Amino acid sequence: KAGVTQTPRYLIKTRGQQVTLSCSPISGHRSVSWYQQTPGQGLQFLFEYFSETQRNKGNFPGRFSGRQFSNSRSEMNVSTLELGDSALYLCASSLEGQAWEQYFGPGTRLTVT
Amino acid sequence: AQRVTQPEKLLSVFKGAPVELKCNYSYSGSPELFWYVQYSRQRLQLLLRHISRESIKGFTADLNKGETSFHLKKPFAQEEDSAMYYCALNGIRGGNKLTFGTGTQLKVEL
Repeated sequence: KAGVTQTPRYLIKTRGQQVTLSCSPISGHRSVSWYQQTPGQGLQFLFEYFSETQRNKGNFPGRFSGRQFSNSRSEMNVSTLELGDSALYLCASSLEGQAWEQYFGPGTRLTVT
Repeated sequence: AQRVTQPEKLLSVFKGAPVELKCNYSYSGSPELFWYVQYSRQRLQLLLRHISRESIKGFTADLNKGETSFHLKKPFAQEEDSAMYYCALNGIRGGNKLTFGTGTQLKVEL
């Protein structure tokens, strides 16, 4: 079974721009979660999507948003990028009822200049 | 608010020595606690969860509600145990809202 895939793997953007990251979950997984990983703050939960609806949300500003499509693929969008948004963005998927077992993707490394 | 604390950034032990990775949590309800591991050049993956009470790769972790701790232990460290270990808490039933600790890098020396 193919693992979680994320595209692109690396991205460089300028302050003020917006960015969209993509995540394809493991086949059969309907829950997709997003995390931000930085050296200073560690791994922080952004949000979880299930059946095209945001089910849970972390403590991030409204500039961070996401969506999920009917095939469970998910996108994350960050608008008006700030330098502090530079991070590794991880996506993870899980089976319904087993949210505790997150299968992580390789991440997208976003650099904001 | 839920919070997970891992006080050690780096733990270095010799092969064959016991290992204890510390994790303390703050949560008002009944938490679900987990240990995730990331080996070099691999993805983050689940190691064990407190409900299952399993021993995975020789590691065990006991939830101590009185001390709000969930320390990860292994009696005899192996070289292949060298990795980054994250303690995590999920305070949501029926969904995911994992809170991770900052992680402990375990280095097993020969």
